[in-house]
Amino acid sequence: GAVVSQHPSRVICKSGTSVKIECRSLDFQATTMFWYRQFPKQSLMLMATSNEGSKATYEQGVEKDKFLINHASLTLSTLTVTSAHPEDSSFYICSANRGGEQFFGPGTRLTVL
Amino acid sequence: AQSVSQHNHHVILSEAASLELGCNYSYGGTVNLFWYVQYPGQHLQLLLKYFSGDPLVKGIKGFEAEFIKSKFSFNLRKPSVQWSDTAEYFCAVTLNQAGTALIFGKGTTLSVSS
Repeated sequence: GAVVSQHPSRVICKSGTSVKIECRSLDFQATTMFWYRQFPKQSLMLMATSNEGSKATYEQGVEKDKFLINHASLTLSTLTVTSAHPEDSSFYICSANRGGEQFFGPGTRLTVL
Repeated sequence: AQSVSQHNHHVILSEAASLELGCNYSYGGTVNLFWYVQYPGQHLQLLLKYFSGDPLVKGIKGFEAEFIKSKFSFNLRKPSVQWSDTAEYFCAVTLNQAGTALIFGKGTTLSVSS
């Protein structure tokens, strides 16, 4: 099956700093990738749709200036959490679409102190 | 807007009991349907999926799901659960068109006692 990687798997940062999370499709090209957020013991909530070569589409309630998404190539999308605060602590998961099926990355655990 | 409802928040079963987890979606068009499992501390894994064809879909680890279009349902079943099935189960839906995101249900926690 298709493989999607995320880096880093865990990150701890101080409040006010910015954190970049990478999502890569390792063995296929993905024009569309998705970013989800999962709070403990809750479901995945779609944050945004990342489109290669164009602006991301954000879901209602997601601040585009806080969660910057760049999809610079067909195998890489990045999510940058700017000026992170403790309430941004969460599990961030990306997925890439291939053949109508989504393949998920292993997730990134962000802890903001 | 699309939505997915999972009726059971937490299910507790003994080993060998049968399992059925409910999932209903709200969308009148053509959809693709999925069940994912998330074991403690691990990432999402696809259990099974339905795109078209036979509405009874068999997945990994003995799971199956039945798509009933008239009821907008895609319930997950397993005849005999094992302790290792303890996990979080998510039903998800996407439109049958390229580039659309998955909409997830809130998830069902399954606890199986040995």
